[in-house]
Amino acid sequence: AQSVTQPDIHITVSEGASLELRCNYSYGATPYLFWYVQSPGQGLQLLLKYFSGDTLVQGIKGFEAEFKRSQSSFNLRKPSVHWSDAAEYFCAVGARGTYKYIFGTGTRLKVLA
Amino acid sequence: NAGVTQTPKFQVLKTGQSMTLQCAQDMNHNSMYWYRQDPGMGLRLIYYSASEGTTDKGEVPNGYNVSRLNKREFSLRLESAAPSQTSVYFCASSPRSGGQSNTEAFFGQGTRLTVV
Repeated sequence: AQSVTQPDIHITVSEGASLELRCNYSYGATPYLFWYVQSPGQGLQLLLKYFSGDTLVQGIKGFEAEFKRSQSSFNLRKPSVHWSDAAEYFCAVGARGTYKYIFGTGTRLKVLA
Repeated sequence: NAGVTQTPKFQVLKTGQSMTLQCAQDMNHNSMYWYRQDPGMGLRLIYYSASEGTTDKGEVPNGYNVSRLNKREFSLRLESAAPSQTSVYFCASSPRSGGQSNTEAFFGQGTRLTVV
């Protein structure tokens, strides 16, 4: 069955430090991959997406993610975190040939001033 | 451009009561979805509709019904609410259709439902 794993439930970083959020997926073929961010009390906003081509994708707010087929991973990175990045981050898979989006359990980011 | 609009934003129900969560999108999207979000569980798919007139079960459909009223609207009904249905409910839409699946989902702001 298709699944998405985000192994880190909580991550705390200092403002200005680099960030990497992990995402692993289980799927028989190359899926469509997404990262969303959710601020408290808000809906989900798309940060970036990968469909094909260049495995390093750039998103909004200075985020990037790298697709690694050999590791079934799609990790999210940011070189320097800002206090406003504190939020919950979700990795998702859009299974080809279906209409479903499958989400991971999320990683809550805390940023220390 | 309103995007995906959900009503109400907050609701408190007593056990056994019924209610309908409304969702409308103005992006002319084919597919629509209902998710629930619970702490530590991420977003779980309740039902989805690939196109007007069709609906399918997702991961956690028990206790819910849906209606795809037209291309714009997709409602979620709780016939007899239970405390286990206390959650935040999100509606989403996507341009996905049979010939195009490489698109993202767009989310509403959510409905926070408490069943007491």
